[in-house]
Amino acid sequence: AQKVTQTQTSISVVEKTTVTMDCVYETRDSSYFLFWYKQTASGEIVFLIRQDSYKKENATVGHYSLNFQKPKSSIGLIITATQIEDSAVYFCAMRDPYGSSGNKLIFGIGTLLSVKP
Amino acid sequence: NAGVIQTPRHKVTGKGQEATLWCEPISGHSAVFWYRQTIVQGLEFLTYFRNQAPIDDSGMPKERFSAQMPNQSHSTLKIQSTQPQDSAVYLCASSLVLGSAETLYFGSGTRLTVL
Repeated sequence: AQKVTQTQTSISVVEKTTVTMDCVYETRDSSYFLFWYKQTASGEIVFLIRQDSYKKENATVGHYSLNFQKPKSSIGLIITATQIEDSAVYFCAMRDPYGSSGNKLIFGIGTLLSVKP
Repeated sequence: NAGVIQTPRHKVTGKGQEATLWCEPISGHSAVFWYRQTIVQGLEFLTYFRNQAPIDDSGMPKERFSAQMPNQSHSTLKIQSTQPQDSAVYLCASSLVLGSAETLYFGSGTRLTVL
């Protein structure tokens, strides 16, 4: 069965620094899609960035980028120049359309990021 | 674009009562998903629809939970005989199509508290 694991429960950083959040996933398939979402204190969940497994280049959107290491089944989220407003819970998720989970998103447990002045 | 709308934002029920949660997906979106979020279990998939048809309900507790999508503008999640362990935030999400790369857009959720 497909599974997504985030081992970091919480991370605290000083603003304007770079932070990396880890995520590993399990799948037997070679084609799948990986996502990062952010949940703010208000509860709103928003999409941040996506990596398609067949693409070798790491995805980048604004100050978010990914460290995709397919042989290690790893998809780390990197936030550069962190801001106070980046404080939130970050979820890693996988969609494996050819696996048993089909088209639903499987989420990790989340990592709480606190950005301090 | 108002985003995914969920009502009510909060619902309190007594043990054994029924709860109905409503979701209005983004106009034009053909796929609708329901998730449940708790501190212990995180985000758990419940069910999803494509073009109003149920596709996968593998995450739904079979006996008391049911979901419907009678038209393209709303979906409901009904919980009969609610139990304290049903207390959670129930999230609805929609996407433009049911595609592997498609982004989900989440509503603000309904916080259900079963006393």
